[in-house]
Amino acid sequence: EPEVTQTPSHQVTQMGQEVILRCVPISNHLYFYWYRQILGQKVEFLVSFYNNEISEKSEIFDDQFSVERPDGSNFTLKIRSTKLEDSAMYFCASSDKGTGELFFGEGSRLTVL
Amino acid sequence: DQQVKQNSPSLSVQEGRISILNCDYTNSMFDYFLWYKKYPAEGPTFLISISSIKDKNEDGRFTVFLNKSAKHLSLHIVPSQPGDSAVYFCAASRETGGTSYGKLTFGQGTILTVHP
Repeated sequence: EPEVTQTPSHQVTQMGQEVILRCVPISNHLYFYWYRQILGQKVEFLVSFYNNEISEKSEIFDDQFSVERPDGSNFTLKIRSTKLEDSAMYFCASSDKGTGELFFGEGSRLTVL
Repeated sequence: DQQVKQNSPSLSVQEGRISILNCDYTNSMFDYFLWYKKYPAEGPTFLISISSIKDKNEDGRFTVFLNKSAKHLSLHIVPSQPGDSAVYFCAASRETGGTSYGKLTFGQGTILTVHP
């Protein structure tokens, strides 16, 4: 069964460093998303990407964040200068229909020290 | 952000019995509702959804009920099985231009434990 894959599974970084989280969405999907879950809190929407551009972003997704689909398969989330409060599990998701029925990856745990 | 609330952090049920998970929302603009299941060390997995034009949707052992006037939805699992033990999230969405329904607002989750 096709699945969304994410790398790395866990990354530890120092505050102020740049981090890139990578995702390979399901191949025929057209909608791509990043969500995150801070420990003990809700899963929250960060950004959506469709037709090679950001279609919507949350207040969390400030200038420190960017997304890219550099080739036909990868979808990346970059945090330019990490803060302690960026520590969270980051989930990539994709969808073929834009119906809210998203396929999530297993997540990338980011720890900022 | 309390737009979607799951007031029960946990629920314990005997195998074979019914599990009922509840969810309330406040934003009347939401018109599409979903339930996701999550096992440890995995991402959320879509379970079942319901549009605001319906009040019930059924898929095998899973049924979602929507009460729009009360802004309440529930997930019924009958019969419950030990493999259903997981965290269950309700989520709500509304159509937006670019993402369609993909911008989900999640509840806090309810941990369901089904005992053999």
